[in-house]
Amino acid sequence: GAGVSQSPSNKVTEKGKDVELRCDPISGHTALYWYRQSLGQGLEFLIYFQGNSAPDKSGLPSDRFSAERTGGSVSTLTIQRTQQEDSAVYLCASSLAASGGLETQYFGPGTRLLVL
Amino acid sequence: GQQVMQIPQYQHVQEGEDFTTYCNSSTTLSNIQWYKQRPGGHPVFLIQLVKSGEVKKQKRLTFQFGEAKKNSSLHITATQTTDVGTYFCAGPTGQGGKLIFGQGTELSVKP
Repeated sequence: GAGVSQSPSNKVTEKGKDVELRCDPISGHTALYWYRQSLGQGLEFLIYFQGNSAPDKSGLPSDRFSAERTGGSVSTLTIQRTQQEDSAVYLCASSLAASGGLETQYFGPGTRLLVL
Repeated sequence: GQQVMQIPQYQHVQEGEDFTTYCNSSTTLSNIQWYKQRPGGHPVFLIQLVKSGEVKKQKRLTFQFGEAKKNSSLHITATQTTDVGTYFCAGPTGQGGKLIFGQGTELSVKP
C-alpha cells in the first residue's frame, strides 16, 4: 500500500517478555519517527531516524527500549523485559526528510501493546 | 525545556455550535502543524502554518498562527458529528525533523 504500515496491529504479552514492533514507512521517505500514546494521552516522542542513523534517542524511556532501521526503510522497536506500564499504542510516522520540522509526518495505524 | 500546551483538554458541543482550540508554545516556532486523530485512529495531518499572522481555511476549519509565532488556534464553525476527534498542534524542536506535540483537545459533538 501507499501508506505507513505497522505490525502487529495488536500484541498481548506477559510481563518480562520481549516484544518487537515493526514499521514500514512510505517508500522514499528518509525520516522515520516512533511515538508512544497511552490511553487518552498525547504523543510521546521516542526516537527518530534520518536514513539509518538515529540523531535523537532522547525519548526512549529506559534502556529496555531500542530501535533500529536498516536499508533506510523498515524499522523495528524492541522492548525488552516488558512491564505493565509499557502498555500503550506505539505509533510510527514517516516524512520525506527531517528538514527542521517542515515536513508533514504520515502516521501508521499503530501497534496496540498490552502487557499482562 | 520546550513545551507546547493546548487548551481546553476536552470540549463537548452541540452539533452546530462553534469550537476553538488554542495552542501555546514556550518558544518561537518556525512553523506549526495541526493533526486530527479520530477515535481509535491515528493522527492525520491537517495543515501547516509558516508565516507570522497567517490564516488558512479549510471549509469550516480556520487555522491561525500568531504574530509572535508562539501561539496558534483552530476554529471550527458549525460543528458536525464528523468533526469528532482529538486535535493536536505540533511544532519543530530545532532537532532535525523532531516535532513536539501538544496534549491535544478532544472534541465531542452531540447530535
